[in-house]
Amino acid sequence: IAGITQAPTSQILAAGRRMTLRCTQDMRHNAMYWYRQDLGLGLRLIHYSNTAGTTGKGEVPDGYSVSRANTDDFPLTLASAVPSQTSVYFCASSDSPAAGELFFGEGSRLTVL
Amino acid sequence: GENVEQHPSTLSVQEGDSAVIKCTYSDSASNYFPWYKQELGKRPQLIIDIRSNVGEKKDQRIAVTLNKTAKHFSLHITETQPEDSAVYFCAASIRGNKLVFGAGTILRVKS
Repeated sequence: IAGITQAPTSQILAAGRRMTLRCTQDMRHNAMYWYRQDLGLGLRLIHYSNTAGTTGKGEVPDGYSVSRANTDDFPLTLASAVPSQTSVYFCASSDSPAAGELFFGEGSRLTVL
Repeated sequence: GENVEQHPSTLSVQEGDSAVIKCTYSDSASNYFPWYKQELGKRPQLIIDIRSNVGEKKDQRIAVTLNKTAKHFSLHITETQPEDSAVYFCAASIRGNKLVFGAGTILRVKS
């Protein structure tokens, strides 16, 4: 079934540890995004990539990094996790950057203690 | 920076009544305005979208209106049903290459 897959679905992490959230899509979409969702704050854009090989900063990029080595994969890395990064993280993809439907993954719930 | 404001944060309506959610945006170059519905514990899904070259779009019981001069757009749900209960997010394109979301509206439809 075509779609977008995130891993892990849930993780508890000690502060200071490094963590990579994985995201893979098989729809050959050009654009991919990482959002974090916190109660009362909606979905906030962390980083995005309009095409393989390029990335850009969103609203809340500090403490996160991304790479886009190919069309399908867009991992999000927390170099040194802090408790304020406790959140639900959604990866999404779109055929047209900021002009077409976003397809979201199921989310990754991250708790930093 | 560019942002999207969404109101109200919570909305309770009686089944069969209408619900209206409003959003304003700051980037005058924004040209794409989608609405997403997120049920509890699930991923957001697109329910309707509108582009800057039209003022209104309808799809069965839902409609979206856009006022580019005032930089605001609204979601209208008529004849609400219990299954419409969810969190609704508006979004606007920013600088043509990213979507910024509003903070969300929790809609409760009471039967």
